[in-house]
Amino acid sequence: AQKVTQAQTEISVVEKEDVTLDCVYETRDTTYYLFWYKQPPSGELVFLIRRNSFDEQNEISGRYSWNFQKSTSSFNFTITASQVVDSAVYFCALSEAEGNNRLAFGKGNQVVVIP
Amino acid sequence: GAGVSQSPRYKVAKRGQDVALRCDPISGHVSLFWYQQALGQGPEFLTYFQNEAQLDKSGLPSDRFFAERPEGSVSTLKIQRTQQEDSAVYLCASSLHRGPSVEAFFGQGTRLTVV
Repeated sequence: AQKVTQAQTEISVVEKEDVTLDCVYETRDTTYYLFWYKQPPSGELVFLIRRNSFDEQNEISGRYSWNFQKSTSSFNFTITASQVVDSAVYFCALSEAEGNNRLAFGKGNQVVVIP
Repeated sequence: GAGVSQSPRYKVAKRGQDVALRCDPISGHVSLFWYQQALGQGPEFLTYFQNEAQLDKSGLPSDRFFAERPEGSVSTLKIQRTQQEDSAVYLCASSLHRGPSVEAFFGQGTRLTVV
């Protein structure tokens, strides 16, 4: 069974500070995919990134960066120089190759950026 | 519109009432998913369609929940004899192809409140 754990629930930061969101996953599959989604107050989930289990290369996209470490089953997300527009709930999710395409989500991290 | 559209956005139902939630996926998207998101939680998988075929309904919590996608485009999630524990946001997502690595596009959800 697949499982995703996001330990922190609500994180408050002052604007321009960095914030790191932790994600730990469990799976028995050797082929799987990890995702991060952003959920603003409007409700829809916005895709941020996808990594497959064979690609541990870290990625940077603007102020966002991701650190994937298979040895610790973690896929952490950092927002650098946070802005008020980053205030949202962020979800880590896992999809297994044999899982019929379903996403297993963590409980999410509520990020509040204080101006 | 270009995105996934869900209606109604908000639904208040009296306990015992039947409800129907509609999802218009992105045109041409093969895969369609329904998720249930309780307050403060991550989305939980309900069911998955590939075109008109319902390939996975293992997440439906009871036989009061029924989903269909008769022509492989619009989908309806029906809940019979609603209970208070059914109160949640119901999210619909679609993706262009099948496969665990494909990005899913989410609608804004329908917030169901059972009173």
